[in-house]
Formats: sequence, structure tokens, C-alpha cells
Amino acid sequence: KQEVTQIPAALSVPEGENLVLNCSFTDSAIYNLQWFRQDPGKGLTSLLLIQSSQREQTSGRLNASLDKSSGRSTLYIAASQPGDSATYLCAVGSNFNKFYFGSGTKLNVKP
Amino acid sequence: EAQVTQNPRYLITVTGKKLTVTCSQNMNHEYMSWYRQDPGLGLRQIYYSMNVEVTDKGDVPEGYKVSRKEKRNFPLILESPSPNQTSLYFCASSGAGPYNEQFFGPGTRLTVL
Repeated sequence: KQEVTQIPAALSVPEGENLVLNCSFTDSAIYNLQWFRQDPGKGLTSLLLIQSSQREQTSGRLNASLDKSSGRSTLYIAASQPGDSATYLCAVGSNFNKFYFGSGTKLNVKP
Repeated sequence: EAQVTQNPRYLITVTGKKLTVTCSQNMNHEYMSWYRQDPGLGLRQIYYSMNVEVTDKGDVPEGYKVSRKEKRNFPLILESPSPNQTSLYFCASSGAGPYNEQFFGPGTRLTVL
């Protein structure tokens, strides 16, 4: 069974700092990997999707990379802003149409 | 507006009283799925559906039923709810294939007394 781990569980940074969130998974036979943000009391908002054949995806200040062989993905946030404060989740899609989530990294960007 | 809707958003019920949480999407997506989110355990997949009349178990299907009679709807049924099913439930949908992102509904907070 796929196990997904996100480190750190929580992170607090000053505004303007660049930061990296980590996601690791145990089975490299993945379908895709998706990063989400979740605001308190809200649903999940999709940030980036990386197919298993891709190495990275970029959207604005966000860049996600995927290294299947080592079972790792990173989400890079450039020039962080207070509005980036949220919980960030990674989800790994398996080759059997199942999805496995990490427990998330709670990010606080201080003004 | 493209969206996934869930109803109700909040529900308090008692043990054993059957309930249904509805999920509907307007994006003509083939794939739909239900998750539950619990503190410390993250989101776990309950059931998923690849298309009409095609459903399969996720990681935590016990105590739940689903049906997919129409492409847009994927209701979650709790025949006899128990307190350990108190959780935050999310429905999601996507197109078929690895290049399609999942879109999530706003969530249903269920409390079983």
C-alpha cells in the first residue's frame, strides 16, 4: 500500500522568504501527483498536477518537481506572502485509480 | 461555473439512522471519488467510480455504500452510521487519465452521536 509522508508538519516563515515543502512516497509506480492547498473550514484547491512522465510543473510563484525513482516531490514557493498561509497537501495517484494523501504541511507566513 | 457540490454541508445525526450525502459535478467528469478527513490521519479514500455503474473500494470502504446511476451524481450512503464515522467528507471529480486534476467539493461535516 502506498504511504505518503509530508515534512515538515508545520512551518512558519517571514514574508518574502522562498520555501520548499516536501512529499515522499513509498511506491514509485505512480499515476500522477497533485499538490493542493486547504484553507481552514474549506475544501481543497488544486495547485499543480504532475503526470508520472513529467519532472516538474510551474504556475506563477509555485514550482513542483517529481523524482519517481527516489519517491519524492517538492513544492517550491517563491517570495512567500501572508495569503499563502494554509495547509498544503500532496496526493499520489496509483496505477489502480486510487489516491493517497499526505497529512499536510501547515504553513504560516508572517507579515 | 465548473464545480462539485455536496449536500448537506453540515449534519448531526444519531447512531443507526440511515443517511445520504449527495455529490454532483457539472464538468462531465468520468471519475468521482469520496474521501474522509480525520485529524492526524489525513484524507483517506472511501470509494471511487470510473464511470456510470462502475464503482470500486478505496482504502476505508467499511460502513459505506455508493452508487453511480448518472454521470454527474455520486451519492455516499451510510446505512447504519456509527460514532466512528464522525468526520469531514469530501467528494471529488476529474476527467479520465493521469493529466486530469481532481476538483473537490466544499466538504460535509458529519457528526454521529
